[in-house]
Formats: sequence, C-alpha cells, structure tokens
Amino acid sequence: SAVISQKPSRDICQRGTSLTIQCQVDSQVTMMFWYRQQPGQSLTLIATANQGSEATYESGFVIDKFPISRPNLTFSTLTVSNMSPEDSSIYLCSVVGQNNEQFFGPGTRLTVL
Amino acid sequence: AQSVSQHNHHVILSEAASLELGCNYSYGGTVNLFWYVQYPGQHLQLLLKYFSGDPLVKGIKGFEAEFIKSKFSFNLRKPSVQWSDTAEYFCAVNDPGGFKTIFGAGTRLFVKA
Repeated sequence: SAVISQKPSRDICQRGTSLTIQCQVDSQVTMMFWYRQQPGQSLTLIATANQGSEATYESGFVIDKFPISRPNLTFSTLTVSNMSPEDSSIYLCSVVGQNNEQFFGPGTRLTVL
Repeated sequence: AQSVSQHNHHVILSEAASLELGCNYSYGGTVNLFWYVQYPGQHLQLLLKYFSGDPLVKGIKGFEAEFIKSKFSFNLRKPSVQWSDTAEYFCAVNDPGGFKTIFGAGTRLFVKA
C-alpha cells in the first residue's frame, strides 16, 4: 500500500490569496491525481499530475487557477490561486499503486473567507 | 464519457437491517469498479473492488458487491448493518489503462442504534 501525507491539513485563507498544498508519497508512483470534494458533494478530479511534463486538467479546471508541480515520483503540489469562497473545499491527493489500487491522502480542508 | 450514478443520496436503516446501495455506470469498455467508504471526519477507504473474475466480490467489514455486466451495475450489499456503518459510500469506476477514477455522488447511510 501507499501512504500519503498532505500539508497543510487545513487552512483558512483570505479571498484573493493563493495556497499551495503539498502531497508526499512514501513510494515512487507513476500516477498522481488531485481531487476536490466540495461540501456535501462527491469527489471531482481536477487533474493528473505528470512527472516531467505539464499536468493534464479535466474539463472546468485550468492551469492558471490550479497550477500543479510534479518534480519527482513521490511529490506533487497543487496551488489554488486567487481564491474565492467557492474554492472552499477538501483537496485530496491520490495515487495508483500496485494492483491498480487507488489510495487517497487525508485531504486538505480549505476555507476561504 | 464515463459517469457513475448512485440511486440514493440518503438511506436510514435500523441496526440489523439489510443494506443494498445501487450503483450504475456508463462506459463502453472494460472497467474496474470500486466502493469506497468515508466515515465521519475520516478520509476515504477502499471497501472492495472488482477487476475481473468472480462478479461477486467480498470486501472488508462484511460488505460485498455484485457486478452485473448486462445491467452496468455494481450494487453494494451487507446482510446486517451496524451503527458503526454510518458513513458515506461512494461507487467509483476507472478504465484499466487510464486510471482516472470517476466517483458517484455518494450515499449517506445513517444506521439507528
């Protein structure tokens, strides 16, 4: 199994600012993903973080708003830029390990005032 | 495009009642199917998964699910629920090559003691 940690675990931010969320995995993984879980809703895939190339974004998500870095096979960051209250959500890092099993980090709970 | 539909948003049961949560997916090819559980205040955990083989899969905590290909369904069942099963349950699907996992809207289960 893969153990995933995220920093910060939660934050309260002011409108217009940016927050960078870090995701660290305890083993090298090819596939890393960023999801968002808005209050009372299901998980929505934001993007696939690709090592050595630009992230692949899902419909409705753009790089300017959610820039992603993936410098190596164990680490990725997601930045939520120019935040508004609508960005209040839980942001989850996820990886696919051996046997195609998907693992999720504990999430970062973001509140934007 | 892939999609996942969960039939019930909220389910309330008494302890010892039987549980069945419906899940249907839309995808033309081979899929991997999952059920995840999210207990209050905790992060997602995998309950069970289907990749191939026996369409009746058994997971943790007495849960099982049956893949019916002709109906594009993957319903979750448990013969006798407990108060500790109170949680939100997510059905999810990905394709074996892409790993991009799509989640259903979730079903909130409340078990009365």
